Amino acid sequence: DGGITQSPKYLFRKEGQNVTLSCEQNLNHDAMYWYRQDPGQGLRLIYYSQIVNDFQKGDIAEGYSVSREKKESFPLTVTSAQKNPTAFYLCASTRRGISGANVLTFGAGSRLTVL
Amino acid sequence: GEDVEQSLFLSVREGDSSVINCTYTDSSSTYLYWYKQEPGAGLQLLTYIFSNMDMKQDQRLTVLLNKKDKHLSLRIADTQTGDSAIYFCAENPGGSYIPTFGRGTSLIVHP
Repeated sequence: DGGITQSPKYLFRKEGQNVTLSCEQNLNHDAMYWYRQDPGQGLRLIYYSQIVNDFQKGDIAEGYSVSREKKESFPLTVTSAQKNPTAFYLCASTRRGISGANVLTFGAGSRLTVL
Repeated sequence: GEDVEQSLFLSVREGDSSVINCTYTDSSSTYLYWYKQEPGAGLQLLTYIFSNMDMKQDQRLTVLLNKKDKHLSLRIADTQTGDSAIYFCAENPGGSYIPTFGRGTSLIVHP
């Protein structure tokens, strides 16, 4: 079955460490996204990528970095510059170029806790 | 102000209907969406509606769209405990393909 896989499901980090969250999709989707979710604040867009080797900052990109070397993969690195990284991170993807609704497929999420 | 606004909580009794409301600001949004998030999981699309429609029904779900007031609602008939989740409204503002999400409404269904 096609879908999006995020790993790890839970991650603990000490202050000052960088961590990388994995996101892999086998849906042949063009666009991929990273969202951050905090209680009561909904989803905030961190980065998105429309095609391989290209990505754009979202609303809260500071302290994060991404890469898109392969169509299937869009890893997110939470750097030590991110002041409050404890959150639930969601990866999503969608197929571009099809007229109509832009429906996102989401992964199951990764919960990062800074100790 | 926020682009998409929702109330944060809704509590209903099992078997009753639930109505979750959403207001949005961009009249050029062509599609409006409802997603559901169960605890500790990602979001799943429930349904969406094209902006030239007033209503869409899918089994227990009814979506109503009032473009004049920029108001969207999701009605769940015969609400069950399995419907307890966070429901997100989303739009594609300004023709952008990137959706903007509301803060989500936590639906609590009690016996």
